[in-house]
Amino acid sequence: SSELTQDPAVSVALGQTVTITCQGDSLRSWYVSWYQQKPGQAPVLVMYGKTIRPSGIPDRFSGSTSGDTASLTITGAQAEDEADYYCNSRHSSGNQLVVFGGGTKLTVL
Amino acid sequence: EVQLVESGGGLVQPGGSLRLSCEASRFTLSTYWMHWVRQVPGKGLVWVSLISSDGRIITHADSVKGRFTISRDNAKNTLYLQMNSLRAEDTALYYCARDYGYDYAIDMWGQGTMVTVSS
Repeated sequence: SSELTQDPAVSVALGQTVTITCQGDSLRSWYVSWYQQKPGQAPVLVMYGKTIRPSGIPDRFSGSTSGDTASLTITGAQAEDEADYYCNSRHSSGNQLVVFGGGTKLTVL
Repeated sequence: EVQLVESGGGLVQPGGSLRLSCEASRFTLSTYWMHWVRQVPGKGLVWVSLISSDGRIITHADSVKGRFTISRDNAKNTLYLQMNSLRAEDTALYYCARDYGYDYAIDMWGQGTMVTVSS
C-alpha cells in the first residue's frame, strides 16, 4: 500500500476546473511533487515545492497544501490534460526514502 | 539533447540476475542525486532506489532491499541497478530518474527499460 493516497479516478468537463488530491502524513512536513503521465510515455513533472511550476507547464496548473493533503488544480481543463497524475514526497519517517501516491486517472469529458 | 538512456532490460528466469544501466546525455551526472522507479504496465509508479551525487548515501525500498543495489560511475556518467534473486513480481518497466531536490522531486525521466521475470 502507498503512504500517499490518491483517488483512483476523477473526471472533468472540458473547460471546467478539477482538483486532484494526495493525502499522507509526510505532507505535513515535506514538499509534494506532481507528475503527469500519458499512455506510453514517461512521467513529466508538473508541480514541485508545493506550488512551483516547471518551465513549459501551462499556468492552468496550480498546487496547494493544507495539513496532510496536497492538491493539484487544473483551471480550464483541456483535452490534452487527460492523463494519469501521481504525487510523491519523502517518506513520513524523514529518512532518505521516497514514496509515490497510487495515481489518479483524469478523464476530460 | 539532455536525456537519460536506460539499457540492460530483458527476460530473465526467477532467481536470476540483471544489471540495468542509465547513461546521462549532455549533462553531468555527478551533480545530481538519482533514482530508479519502476512501473508494472497499467499500474502506478513505485520508487525503488536512491543514490546521492557522490554515492555515499544509498537507500532502497523494502521490497528490493538485500536483492537490488544502486550504484554509479560518475566518470562514465552512468547509473546502475544490480538486480539479484529476481522474482516474478519484479517484472516492470524500470525508469532511471534525476532528482531535482525539493524533497525528491524528479525533473527528468528516461524512457525506461523493461524487465520480465518468467520461466
